[in-house]
Amino acid sequence: DTEVTQTPKHLVMGMTNKKSLKCEQHMGHRAMYWYKQKAKKPPELMFVYSYEKLSINESVPSRFSPECPNSSLLNLHLHALQPEDSALYLCASSQDRDRGLGGGGYTFGSGTRLTVV
Amino acid sequence: TQLLEQSPQFLSIQEGENLTVYCNSSSVFSSLQWYRQEPGEGPVLLVTVVTGGEVKKLKRLTFQFGDARKDSSLHITAAQPGDTGLYLCAGMSNTGNQFYFGTGTSLTVIP
Repeated sequence: DTEVTQTPKHLVMGMTNKKSLKCEQHMGHRAMYWYKQKAKKPPELMFVYSYEKLSINESVPSRFSPECPNSSLLNLHLHALQPEDSALYLCASSQDRDRGLGGGGYTFGSGTRLTVV
Repeated sequence: TQLLEQSPQFLSIQEGENLTVYCNSSSVFSSLQWYRQEPGEGPVLLVTVVTGGEVKKLKRLTFQFGDARKDSSLHITAAQPGDTGLYLCAGMSNTGNQFYFGTGTSLTVIP
């Protein structure tokens, strides 16, 4: 299995809702990432988990809360989002945090298209 | 500060034409990767270059890493509509383990 699976593929939520994005990989990768991407722009790093511990939080607002229940799963809990948070949310994984490059690279999921209304 | 600048930002060409996308930086990178992202999908790794001056070919795509490891280029020969997408270079700086994406090049190949 060489894929990163993200669910749901599309999500529409109101500003008072609570929802979660899910990401799963079974490649044995020990680093997992959340990125936010606006249309035709590069992905922006949000969080990095290395060996199931949060290692980087790129000053993301607290309305985004990551969770890594085990080495294969990564969640992003959403609460009280704003319309400007509407974007494609991408999950990625790599062998480990310091070997994303030079080896197999980063494997990205297809993303969750989030719309906040 | 954007470490990796890509040019052009947008490119629209006819099927069969050739094109080159550039990825430039003032910083040295230990390695660079190129990704292609199709609409509604995540980025897919195309290639990793690690040695200054390295050239890699992937069918109609040719990737080059600059001698000083500060820049890279992607050349596509005889572009096809299936090449349409967002092309992203990405790299890890030589001074640390921070990973950066380039500013992106949106390519449209018209049949």
